[in-house]
This record gives sequence, structure tokens and C-alpha cells, in this order.
Amino acid sequence: DAMVIQNPRYQVTQFGKPVTLSCSQTLNHNVMYWYQQKSSQAPKLLFHYYDKDFNNEADTPDNFQSRRPNTSFCFLDIRSPGLGDAAMYLCATSREPPGGEITDTQYFGPGTRLTVL
Amino acid sequence: GQNIDQPTEMTATEGAIVQINCTYQTSGFNGLFWYQQHAGEAPTFLSYNVLDGLEEKGRFSSFLSRSKGYSYLLLKELQMKDSASYLCATDGGYNKLIFGAGTRLAVHP
Repeated sequence: DAMVIQNPRYQVTQFGKPVTLSCSQTLNHNVMYWYQQKSSQAPKLLFHYYDKDFNNEADTPDNFQSRRPNTSFCFLDIRSPGLGDAAMYLCATSREPPGGEITDTQYFGPGTRLTVL
Repeated sequence: GQNIDQPTEMTATEGAIVQINCTYQTSGFNGLFWYQQHAGEAPTFLSYNVLDGLEEKGRFSSFLSRSKGYSYLLLKELQMKDSASYLCATDGGYNKLIFGAGTRLAVHP
């Protein structure tokens, strides 16, 4: 089945210790997204890629970085995690409809729950 | 500015009908999505409305009024497994969805 896969599902790190979360997709979608979601809050978009074009949200902290080495994989790097970075991190993908103006349906992975000690 | 409002919590009885409202004020609007999210899991797509009116899909229906900045999700014949958060999200175009905080629905026997 075509899907969005995130590893690991649960990640524990120490304050200030770099951590990398991974996402892969078999949907062959050209757009990939990283969201941060804290308990009872809306998912907050951190970045998205259209193919290899990187789009950073204006309020995404510098502590967060992302890499997309190929169509199938995307990584989220948190350089120095703080206690406030504990959250669920969701990866999503979508197609890019012709014209680019309308956002197609986004398909989410199961998420990685990050705990910072 | 971007603002999406949904009730925080709702409760309903198994077998009943529930309507979850969403109002929005966004600078760009192409359509509105509804997602279901069970606790600790990823959001899953339910519906997408572009034009005004009601879209029916099995037990779930979604309505949109663009002029009023208003949508609702209607769940019929509620089942216990429908207990989840329901997120509305507006499509601002160019790969950007703006999510509401979600409505947590509890279905009781």
C-alpha cells in the first residue's frame, strides 16, 4: 500500500542533544511537509518542499532544519532541543496540481512523538 | 490575518447526529478540508469543499458557505469509534493549509 512512513514513532532525547526525525513516502508526491503539533493544538507548519525547493515558514525557529535528499525522503533536524520542542511531529505529502494555486489533499504519516528530558 | 474557530469539545450519544461548526477568516481561500484525528495518531482526510453546498460521503457530510466563512461537518449514526478530534483547515493556496485547533468529540453509549 502506498503510504507515508515516519521513524521512529517515539523519540526521547536530552535537552540540547541533536535529534533527527525521518519521513519516507511511496506515494510519489512532489510536495512534502513537516508540522509540529502540541497537545490539543492545531498542527503548525514548519517547512514544506515542492520537489527540492525549500519553503521555510517565517516563524519557524532556526533550531529546526530540514533536508530532502530525494523525492521519497525528508528529514527534520532539531539542533538543540528544548523542553518547549516536545511535541508530535507530523510529516505529510501532497501532489502539486497544475497551476500550483490550489493545495491538494495532504496525507499524513503516523507522527513521531518527541520527548525532551 | 488567519483565524479559524471551532468548538473545543462536544459530546454526543451513540446512534445520534452531531454537527461540528467551523468559522474562518483567512486572507486567501480556495477550499476547506476536514480531517479526523484519533488521540496520538495522524490526521486522516475526511472531506474537501470548494463550492458552496453540502457534500455527502456515507455517514459524514460537509457543508460550506464561502460568503459567510462557515463550514460544518455532520456525522450521522454515531459510533463509538467516531470519538476523535475533528480539524477544519482552510486552503490558502500554494501548498499551505491553515488548521483550526480541532473539536474533540466524545461519543457515549
